[in-house]
Amino acid sequence: DGGITQSPKYLFRKEGQNVTLSCEQNLNHDAMYWYRQDPGQGLRLIYYSQIVNDFQKGDIAEGYSVSREKKESFPLTVTSAQKNPTAFYLCASSPSTTKGDYNEQFFGPGTRLTVL
Amino acid sequence: GENVEQHPSTLSVQEGDSAVIKCTYSDSASNYFPWYKQELGKGPQLIIDIRSNVGEKKDQRIAVTLNKTAKHFSLHITETQPEDSAVYFCAPRGPGRRALTFGSGTRLQVQP
Repeated sequence: DGGITQSPKYLFRKEGQNVTLSCEQNLNHDAMYWYRQDPGQGLRLIYYSQIVNDFQKGDIAEGYSVSREKKESFPLTVTSAQKNPTAFYLCASSPSTTKGDYNEQFFGPGTRLTVL
Repeated sequence: GENVEQHPSTLSVQEGDSAVIKCTYSDSASNYFPWYKQELGKGPQLIIDIRSNVGEKKDQRIAVTLNKTAKHFSLHITETQPEDSAVYFCAPRGPGRRALTFGSGTRLQVQP
């Protein structure tokens, strides 16, 4: 079964702690993305990666970090520097962007992070 | 960057009626216009998309229309059903831009 998995589904963290959200895909997609969604709002881009060992900041990268050591995996770390980390985090992937600008993005089920 | 506005923010219709959601964008170079559906507690899923060289596209009960001159595109759902209840996002993208810019979403409620 091909798709994107995110774990855990719910995550609680104490203020001041770093936490890492997992994202794995077996679609053989080159590009992967992290979005943040706040209640009643659209998705905002945190980071994206077009290829292994390369990634770029999105619109709201401050307080977040990522790595892309494997094609299948794109973990997101929410650091203590992120001032308001409570949100719903969505990971997505798409085929190689070198194949055109019309590639669908496939989303995982999301991780809901709550900072206590 | 791209500025995207979606209207209305909420929409309630009776089952069987039609629903229309409009998305306005700012970047005249945008050439890809998808619509995503997000059900409660899940990630968004692409339901229909259109490219800039096409004015309209249909897929069963859903359709997307594009007006490049006015820089807006719309999602049309006919014969709405309760399972159409969800949040819908537009996400236009320009050439060379690797990520999508999402609108703020429209919550559609279909009343049985």
